[in-house]
Formats: sequence, structure tokens, C-alpha cells
Amino acid sequence: GDSVTQMEGPVTLSEEAFLTINCTYTATGYPSLFWYVQYPGEGLQLLLKATKADDKGSNKGFEATYRKETTSFHLEKGSVQVSDSAVYFCALLSNFGNEKLTFGTGTRLTIIP
Amino acid sequence: DSGVTQTPKHLITATGQRVTLRCSPRSGDLSVYWYQQSLDQGLQFLIQYYNGEERAKGNILERFSAQQFPDLHSELNLSSLELGDSALYFCASSGSSGTAYNEQFFGPGTRLTVL
Repeated sequence: GDSVTQMEGPVTLSEEAFLTINCTYTATGYPSLFWYVQYPGEGLQLLLKATKADDKGSNKGFEATYRKETTSFHLEKGSVQVSDSAVYFCALLSNFGNEKLTFGTGTRLTIIP
Repeated sequence: DSGVTQTPKHLITATGQRVTLRCSPRSGDLSVYWYQQSLDQGLQFLIQYYNGEERAKGNILERFSAQQFPDLHSELNLSSLELGDSALYFCASSGSSGTAYNEQFFGPGTRLTVL
């Protein structure tokens, strides 16, 4: 079945550091890929998405590129801020009619000033 | 604000009891999804309804059931509660089925604590 493997956390970085959170997936066909963010005490918010190979999703300075050859969708940001502290989830949506999102385990990110 | 509302925000109950969680999807969204977020299982899909009909089932226990009403709101019923059912329950909605590209909008969740 479909699965998402995400970088173990927690991750602690200093403000303005470069961020990478690794995500790889296993799925049949060509899934859509997503990064969701969960701020403390809140629900999940879609951060960015990519629906086909080589697509780059971007939002709020975050980027991720859909790499089919490596089955990866790593999240990156060039300069993190304290306000980026949250839990980040990588997820996939199969294109075989099953509309459920399959999530990774989440990576807790803490940015220190 | 995603436009998806969930009530109640917090629920504390005892083992063996039954609770109902409520979700109102975004205006116009026909699909409702329920997910459970727990420390040991992570975020797991439970069930999906589309326009009142059950469309997909995930790792939902037999003690749990859901329905979607004609006004498209949905309820998740959890019965014979156990300590392990303590979790954050999310509802999500999306615009239509049949495509892999639908964005799911998540509600703020209901935190269930079973004592």
C-alpha cells in the first residue's frame, strides 16, 4: 500500500538557518504530494503541493520538488523564522480513485532566536 | 480559517461511554473525511463520505461509525470508548470526487480525552 517516510524529529535550528525536511514515498502510479503544517493548538493547513513529476510547489518561502526518480518530496526553506516553528507533515494522495491522504509521521521544527 | 468547523473543541469522558463529534464542511464541499491523530499511530484516515454516501473506509474500528446528513454536515460516533481512543479527531472537506488533485481543507479538530 501507499506509505510516506519522513525525517525523524525534532529539528531545532537557529533563526535564518537553512531548512531541509526529507520525505520519500511509496505509491503505485503518480500520486499528488503535499506538505501540511500544524501550528500549536491548530488544525492542519496546506503549505504546498505538487501534482506531477518535476513540479515545484512553493509558498511562504518554502519549496518542494516532486522527484519521481527518487520518489522524494523534500521540504526546503532558505532562511527560517521563529514563526515557522510547527509540525510539518508530508502526505500523498493516490491517483487511483482512493481519495484518502496518507501522511508521514510529522517532523516537529523549533526555531530559536 | 479553512471554513471547516468542528464541535466540540474538547471532550473529556470516561471509558465505556459514547460520544458524537460534529463537522460542518466548507460551503459547497460534498466530500467529508475523518482522520485520527494519536501519539502512537500518527495521522490516520478513518472514513470518507461523499454527498451522503460512504465512499471509502480506512482503519476505522467497528465501535466507530459516521454519517453525512442531507445538509452535508457529518457526525462521527465513537462508542464503548477505551483509553486508547484518546486522540485528536480531524474532519476535512473537499469540493468534489473523481480527481486526484482535490485539496482537503481541515478543521481545527476535536480533542478527545478518555479517562
